[in-house]
Amino acid sequence: AQSVAQPEDQVNVAEGNPLTVKCTYSVSGNPYLFWYVQYPNRGLQFLLKYITGDNLVKGSYGFEAEFNKSQTSFHLKKPSALVSDSALYFCAVRDNMRFGAGTRLTVKP
Amino acid sequence: NAGVTQTPKFQVLKTGQSMTLQCAQDMNHEYMSWYRQDPGMGLRLIHYSVGAGITDQGEVPNGYNVSRSTTEDFPLRLLSAAPSQTSVYFCASSYRGRGQGLAEQYFGPGTRLTVT
Repeated sequence: AQSVAQPEDQVNVAEGNPLTVKCTYSVSGNPYLFWYVQYPNRGLQFLLKYITGDNLVKGSYGFEAEFNKSQTSFHLKKPSALVSDSALYFCAVRDNMRFGAGTRLTVKP
Repeated sequence: NAGVTQTPKFQVLKTGQSMTLQCAQDMNHEYMSWYRQDPGMGLRLIHYSVGAGITDQGEVPNGYNVSRSTTEDFPLRLLSAAPSQTSVYFCASSYRGRGQGLAEQYFGPGTRLTVT
């Protein structure tokens, strides 16, 4: 079965520092992977996706994600965190649209 | 475009009552889906549809029914509400990317349901 896992429930970073939110996948065939963000009391918003091609994918709001086939990972990154990035982040796999359990990112001033 | 709309925003039901959560999209997307979100469990797929007249079950379909008579609308019916169905429900839609299967999903604002 296709699935993704987010090993961290919570990530805390200081404003201005780089951030990483981790995701690993278990997919047969070509993995098509997504990242979404959820702000409080809102629906999910699409950030970026990996279909094929470059292993570094750029998305909205300055986020990027690095696809690593050997480590079966698709970590979300941002070079310099903002307080406004504080939210719940989900990775998902395309074929059955299964989501990870989510990682709560808190950026402290 | 309004995108994906859901009604109602909040609902309180008593055990055994039935209700329908409405979902509509104006983007002409073929694919629509319903998820429930519970703390620590991410989003779980309830039912989905790949086009008008076609529906299928997701991970947690028990206690829910869906139908898709038009491209725009995808209502979710709770047949006999139970406290275990207390959750936040999200509807989403997507187009099929060319040669890439499903593209990214667009989500509605959610319905917060409490069953007492």
